Amino acid sequence: DVKVTQSSRYLVKRTGEKVFLECVQDMDHENMFWYRQDPGLGLRLIYFSYDVKMKEKGDIPEGYSVSREKKERFSLILESASTNQTSMYLCASIQAGLGQPQHFGDGTRLSIL
Amino acid sequence: GQNIDQPTEMTATEGAIVQINCTYQTSGFNGLFWYQQHAGEAPTFLSYNVLDGLEEKGRFSSFLSRSKGYSYLLLKELQMKDSASYLCAVMDSNYQLIWGAGTKLIIKP
Repeated sequence: DVKVTQSSRYLVKRTGEKVFLECVQDMDHENMFWYRQDPGLGLRLIYFSYDVKMKEKGDIPEGYSVSREKKERFSLILESASTNQTSMYLCASIQAGLGQPQHFGDGTRLSIL
Repeated sequence: GQNIDQPTEMTATEGAIVQINCTYQTSGFNGLFWYQQHAGEAPTFLSYNVLDGLEEKGRFSSFLSRSKGYSYLLLKELQMKDSASYLCAVMDSNYQLIWGAGTKLIIKP
């Protein structure tokens, strides 16, 4: 079974802090994704990566950056946290190929005070 | 623009059958996924349809009509543990997933 592990289930930070969310997958997947999920809006793609050191902007990249130094690890960085970044953050990975499902981590519920 | 529509909330009775609809308008089509998400948990994969027709997996079935831009998830013999949100997602021509907002299914005894 694919295992996607996010470093924290719950996190509370202050406005202006730099926040790191870590995600590790154990199945050698090329593709990794960061989403945020807010009530009534569904999953929105922040950034994704198809390979080490490669990153692509998703639909809502503003205020975020990412890092993929190793294939198994994809980090999401909030450069200067703001209250509107309070949300559930979900990391996913996928084996390349049509019809392959995304596998999700348990999510990080981030509160910015 | 790209759009996925599904009902916000549905209620059904334990032991009954429920159908959750999903309509989509996307730039290209490379398949449609259904996921289940219990409150506070990660989405888990249920089904994938890329050709028209019905795919059955135990109590759950998923149907696709590409010409109509329409899919449904059918849940039979409902159990209390089926109370969850059900997410519809379409893979577009760039192989990106476009997600619906999800349907919250409430099961009553």
